[in-house]
Parts: sequence; C-alpha cells; structure tokens
Amino acid sequence: EIVLTQSPATLSLSPGERATLSCRASQSVGSYLAWYQQRPGQAPRLLIYDASNRATGIPARFSGSGSGTDFTLTISSLEPEDFAVYYCQHRASWPKTFGQGTKLEI
Amino acid sequence: EVQLLESGGGLIQPGGSLRLSCAASGFTFSTYAMSWVRQAPGKGLEWVSVISGSGGNKYYTDSVKGRFTSSRDNSKNILYLQMNSLSPEDTAVYYCAKVQRTIMGYFEDWGQGTLVTVSS
Repeated sequence: EIVLTQSPATLSLSPGERATLSCRASQSVGSYLAWYQQRPGQAPRLLIYDASNRATGIPARFSGSGSGTDFTLTISSLEPEDFAVYYCQHRASWPKTFGQGTKLEI
Repeated sequence: EVQLLESGGGLIQPGGSLRLSCAASGFTFSTYAMSWVRQAPGKGLEWVSVISGSGGNKYYTDSVKGRFTSSRDNSKNILYLQMNSLSPEDTAVYYCAKVQRTIMGYFEDWGQGTLVTVSS
C-alpha cells in the first residue's frame, strides 16, 4: 500500500497570501495524484488531477505540480472560501489511498 | 448536472447489516465506474470500493473485503453497498462518487453522504 504523507498538518495564513501544501508518497506514483478540497460539512471536491490538471470549474489560482514522490498544491492568493481541509490521493495502484489532510486556517 | 443522492444510513448494532443506496442522475450512469468513500467522524477520507460501469469488475479495501459488497442497477441508475458484520470501526459518513474515466480514475463528483453509526 502506498502511503501519502501531507505537510504541514495545519497551515495558518491570511486572505491574499500564497499557500503551499505538500504531499509525499512512500513510493513513486508517477503523475497519478489528485488534490481535493473539503469545506466544513461538505463533501470533498476534486481540484487537481494527474498532478497538474485543474478539474472543471476550478479557479486558476489553484495549481499543482510534482511527479514521482513529491507533489505540491499552490493557491496563489487565498480567498475566504479557500480555508478548508485539503487531501491528496493517488491512483497508481490498489488501494487508492488518501493523505491525512492539511487544514488551511485563517 | 451530476447529482448523487445517498440513503440508507442509520444506527445499527455491531454484527448487523445495512444496505446503502446512491441514486444517480445527470450523466450516463452505465458508462462510469462508481466508488464508495468513507470518512469516520473527525477523520480523513478512506476509499472503500469501486465497481466498473458494467458491474463486472469490483475492488475493495482490505478492511472490508468479505464483509461489504458493491453492486449496481444500471436500469435504475442506482449504486448499492451491502455492509455485513458491521463493527464500530465502520462508523463513518459514506459518500458515493462518480469515477473519472476508467475504474482507476479519480473521484470527480460526490454525493453529500449518509451517516452510518455502529453502536450498541
């Protein structure tokens, strides 16, 4: 099983600032990594797939990068609605595991 | 617009069984793989199962193998999760999710979830 480790666990920033979230895989997943956003009381939402592709309707301030074992989600300028929990997830093999999440707080 | 509506959750005693349903609309249901993903209270996300569009291929996470069975009725656009031998560790919100492209794809659309509580 591939383990995904996200850092930091909590990130405290202000609106307008730049956020950088990290996801590290225990073995290579190629580019087969996605990022999801989960706001309180809501279902997760797909943001980025295959490391760097924005899902439909996702604003351009969200971007993803990386390959192999190290990946980054960047939010260029935080909006109030961006404060949420973010999860990475791979699809390189079974089971398709998630990271433990990064809470982005004001 | 894709809509996924889960139902069937509730309070169940340890060792009991429950069947969840997910009614889908807004897309050609039979052409997409579908998954169940769960989230224990205050915890992260855990993939549970995936079933191909035809229903012929299924995969499960190890902790539910032999206890949970995913199925689908493509004539009714409904996804099911039969859960047997439930334990308190199965307590979670269960989401159904439409899988992007192939059975190995990401979860591109999600329902709002149904809460399963396993407790005596």
